[in-house]
Amino acid sequence: AQSVSQHNHHVILSEAASLELGCNYSYGGTVNLFWYVQYPGQHLQLLLKYFSGDPLVKGIKGFEAEFIKSKFSFNLRKPSVQWSDTAEYFCAVTPYGNNRLAFGKGNQVVVIP
Amino acid sequence: NAGVTQTPKFRILKIGQSMTLQCTQDMNHNYMYWYRQDPGMGLKLIYYSVGAGITDKGEVPNGYNVSRSTTEDFPLRLELAAPSQTSVYFCASSRTGGTGNTIYFGEGSWLTVV
Repeated sequence: AQSVSQHNHHVILSEAASLELGCNYSYGGTVNLFWYVQYPGQHLQLLLKYFSGDPLVKGIKGFEAEFIKSKFSFNLRKPSVQWSDTAEYFCAVTPYGNNRLAFGKGNQVVVIP
Repeated sequence: NAGVTQTPKFRILKIGQSMTLQCTQDMNHNYMYWYRQDPGMGLKLIYYSVGAGITDKGEVPNGYNVSRSTTEDFPLRLELAAPSQTSVYFCASSRTGGTGNTIYFGEGSWLTVV
């Protein structure tokens, strides 16, 4: 079964700092890739997704992610974070044509004003 | 358009009790899912359904049962609740299982078993 690895579970940074969260997966075939965000007390919301095409994907709220197939990675970035970006971020992967998401353990991000 | 609706939002159960978490979606989605979220562990798939009358086990099905008698509803049943089932439960749905189909999540049900 595929697995998804997210490192640095807790990230604390100041407003205007840049954010990069790593995501690596183990599945060898074609995959669909997602980043979800969970704000405190809320449900998961889709930030961005990659299915095919340009490996640099732009999502909502200024986030972007880059799919590097050779590294089995889908890292999330934001050049300048805001306090409102405080949330937990989950990377998720499904094999092509299969919507059974496998989630990473999440990154708890705290942005200090 | 309500999306995915779960009830109850919060519940405390005693060990050995049973209960049903309700989930309904109004997007006419074929696929529905139940996940549990434990701190620091991400989300784990409990059960999923690809359409009315069809259900299948996910990664952590033990202690749970589901049914899918209609397209809209996908209840999750806990029989003989155990402390290990203390978790946050998320129901989700998607139009199909194919490429391009985003999964939409409900707001979660916080369950504590004491």
